[in-house]
Amino acid sequence: GAVVSQHPSRVICKSGTSVKIECRSLDFQATTMFWYRQFPKQSLMLMATSNEGSKATYEQGVEKDKFLINHASLTLSTLTVTSAHPEDSSFYICSAPGTSGNTIYFGEGSWLTVV
Amino acid sequence: GEDVEQSLFLSVREGDSSVINCTYTDSSSTYLYWYKQEPGAGLQLLTYIFSNMDMKQDQRLTVLLNKKDKHLSLRIADTQTGDSAIYFCAERAGTASKLTFGTGTRLQVTL
Repeated sequence: GAVVSQHPSRVICKSGTSVKIECRSLDFQATTMFWYRQFPKQSLMLMATSNEGSKATYEQGVEKDKFLINHASLTLSTLTVTSAHPEDSSFYICSAPGTSGNTIYFGEGSWLTVV
Repeated sequence: GEDVEQSLFLSVREGDSSVINCTYTDSSSTYLYWYKQEPGAGLQLLTYIFSNMDMKQDQRLTVLLNKKDKHLSLRIADTQTGDSAIYFCAERAGTASKLTFGTGTRLQVTL
């Protein structure tokens, strides 16, 4: 079964609004989680590292004020896309390292469509 | 920076073996991973290999690692139609848990 869960799996929002995506580790704690973005038929690009109890670390070129990340607890990280635009439409997927540290699990992903 | 390359497409007949190849550039890679992604879905961890190993077998899956050439492969024995998906290799450098992904290989299994 899934060890990392994302919600919602699909969301449609209007331009200018904000949308929140949740990433939860199930039955294990994750002090660090990762957010990726995937455009259709392309690979995954790391957006940011979510750190429990401290600020997220953003990759070069990712707007931190647009993609707000909050690691509220040891099992939950949220990504909020603020003032969404159609070009933000994409597949967003999170990951978390398992308890062994060697395995890295991904959530089911969240499809965002901005209209 | 890190670069991970894969061929884009592979077609095999059901029952044959599939070999998906991956090359990477980062010599500090500690672990290398294979993930499977079905249409519209998340990533399923298939297997991973530590960089000081050269082979790992897990049921129908065999991973070969040539660290000198920075070449990784995934062999799927007795490929089934349910194996049709996109396969991503990913490398992990150092102790950080962030991954650099390859371009993905779409595996098509024909009858």
